[in-house]
Amino acid sequence: DIQMTQSPSSLSASVGDRVTITCRASQSVSTYLNWYQHKPGKAPKVLIYAASSLQSGVPSRFSGSGSGTDFTLTISSLQPEDFATYYCQQSYSTTLTFGPGTKVEIK
Amino acid sequence: EVQLVESGGGLVQPGGSLRLSCAASGFSFSSYWMHWVRQAPGRGLEWVSRINSDGSTTTYADSVKGRFTISRDNAKNTLYLQMSSLRAEDTAVYYCARVWVQQMVWGNYRYPDFWGQGTLVTVSS
Repeated sequence: DIQMTQSPSSLSASVGDRVTITCRASQSVSTYLNWYQHKPGKAPKVLIYAASSLQSGVPSRFSGSGSGTDFTLTISSLQPEDFATYYCQQSYSTTLTFGPGTKVEIK
Repeated sequence: EVQLVESGGGLVQPGGSLRLSCAASGFSFSSYWMHWVRQAPGRGLEWVSRINSDGSTTTYADSVKGRFTISRDNAKNTLYLQMSSLRAEDTAVYYCARVWVQQMVWGNYRYPDFWGQGTLVTVSS
């Protein structure tokens, strides 16, 4: 199975900060990489698909980049509603795998 | 409005069985692949299983292979997960998710785009 790692595992940031989360795959997944936002008690929400495509309805402050094994999710100006856990997920193989998550907390 | 509503969760003893359901509405259910994904308490998301649109092809995570069975009834717009030989480590919130097919310049790209709210399964004596 393809293993996914993320860094950092958690971060504290203030409203208005620029936040960057990285994701690494154990082997190349090309651009078969998605990013999700998950809040407690809620359904996960897709933010970015195919590494860099913004899901319809998602604010433009979210962006994704990367290919192969290294990927980045950037929030250009953190908003109060963005405090959540973020997961990367590869869909290159028939068995999907998620990263361990990055918890974004209020500083 | 797209809706996915999971049900069937609850408390079950180790070694027991449970069937989860995911009722779909607001879209043409029979045209979409579907996933089950779970989240154990304090842990991250873990993919469980996938089924194609007509139910002819299924895939499982190694952790559930041979114990869980994914299926669907397109006439009832419902996805199922039959779980047997349950273990404490199967305790989790179970989510169903729809697979969207996005047409890209280079071909079709499939990804889970819409998720239900989840149903809690607790395996304990």
